[in-house]
Amino acid sequence: ILNVEQSPQSLHVQEGDSTNFTCSFPSSNFYALHWYRWETAKSPEALFVMTLNGDEKKKGRISATLNTKEGYSYLYIKGSQPEDSATYLCARPTGNQFYFGTGTSLTVIP
Amino acid sequence: EAQVTQNPRYLITVTGKKLTVTCSQNMNHEYMSWYRQDPGLGLRQIYYSMNVEVTDKGDVPEGYKVSRKEKRNFPLILESPSPNQTSLYFCASNGGTNQPQHFGDGTRLSIL
Repeated sequence: ILNVEQSPQSLHVQEGDSTNFTCSFPSSNFYALHWYRWETAKSPEALFVMTLNGDEKKKGRISATLNTKEGYSYLYIKGSQPEDSATYLCARPTGNQFYFGTGTSLTVIP
Repeated sequence: EAQVTQNPRYLITVTGKKLTVTCSQNMNHEYMSWYRQDPGLGLRQIYYSMNVEVTDKGDVPEGYKVSRKEKRNFPLILESPSPNQTSLYFCASNGGTNQPQHFGDGTRLSIL
């Protein structure tokens, strides 16, 4: 079993605030780090797949960075909007198995 | 449209009555997985398949079976369901572990 940890567990921010959360994982035998966005009553949707140390990916107001040597990734949301409210999951494959964190639940208050 | 289709979406059944949850993908993906989601525990992988006739156990395989006779289909079988298998189940597919997973809409299973 691989320990993938996410913090904080939940977060409430005001509309317009920028925010970030963390995914920590074992750094040995690293293949990739996935980020998913999961809205209530829907299924998880992929945001990013990151493979290289120092990788930085961006999609609109959401971006992510990766540090494979120390075993963490940050997800940033700039100028949060109510539609950003969701649970954000990270997952680290090892071999052919995927290990998910328990997620960060983000609520953006209008 | 690229999609992963699971059926049924909801099922209430009784202990011991065999059931199958179907999963089909139209993206020609080699890799498919089944997960269960329980409060506070995150998504846990039950079984995965790397190609036709190649399946392997994930973290929580007890009480489940799978088969991969065709590339597009990956059914989850509960031979003798028990109440501790009450959960939300997701099927997913992708082109490899460095490719994003595409998830089905989920199946909410209640076993009484």
